[in-house]
Amino acid sequence: AQKVTQAQTEISVVEKEDVTLDCVYETRDTTYYLFWYKQPPSGELVFLIRRNSFDEQNEISGRYSWNFQKSTSSFNFTITASQVVDSAVYFCALTDSGNTPLVFGKGTRLSVIA
Amino acid sequence: EAQVTQNPRYLITVTGKKLTVTCSQNMNHEYMSWYRQDPGLGLRQIYYSMNVEVTDKGDVPEGYKVSRKEKRNFPLILESPSPNQTSLYFCASSLGTEGTQYFGPGTRLLVL
Repeated sequence: AQKVTQAQTEISVVEKEDVTLDCVYETRDTTYYLFWYKQPPSGELVFLIRRNSFDEQNEISGRYSWNFQKSTSSFNFTITASQVVDSAVYFCALTDSGNTPLVFGKGTRLSVIA
Repeated sequence: EAQVTQNPRYLITVTGKKLTVTCSQNMNHEYMSWYRQDPGLGLRQIYYSMNVEVTDKGDVPEGYKVSRKEKRNFPLILESPSPNQTSLYFCASSLGTEGTQYFGPGTRLLVL
């Protein structure tokens, strides 16, 4: 069975600090897809990134970066120079190439304090 | 604008009174699904649909019904709502099961 673990329930940082959100996944499939979503206080779910299992290249998008390591089954998310607007709950999710549902981690609540 | 819309956004109802939450997408996506989000339990899939007239149960389907008569619409039906169905509901769509799922704005449901 697929599983996503986000061990950090809540993180609090001061503005401009860097912060890394951890995501560890479990799957028996060789083809799978990993995602990160952001849920700001307004409640909507905002897509951030999708990565397939064959692409271990790290990705950077502005202040956001993602580190995908198959050897440790991790897909960690780093926010550089955090801002108050980054305060949200962040979800890591996993699906494979079959008809399995998107499996979410429990989320990490990030609070960025001015 | 490409989007998934849900209505209503907020709903307060009473036990046993049938309700429908509508979901519509304008991206020509084949795959659509419903999730509920509860504190401490995260997001769980209720039902999903691979295409028109093809639906299947997710992890928590009890007490819910869905239909997919048109590609763009995927309503969620609660025939006899109960207080344990009080939750935040999300509809999502994607090109396929492995595609990126785009979520609607959510529907907050309170069943008294």
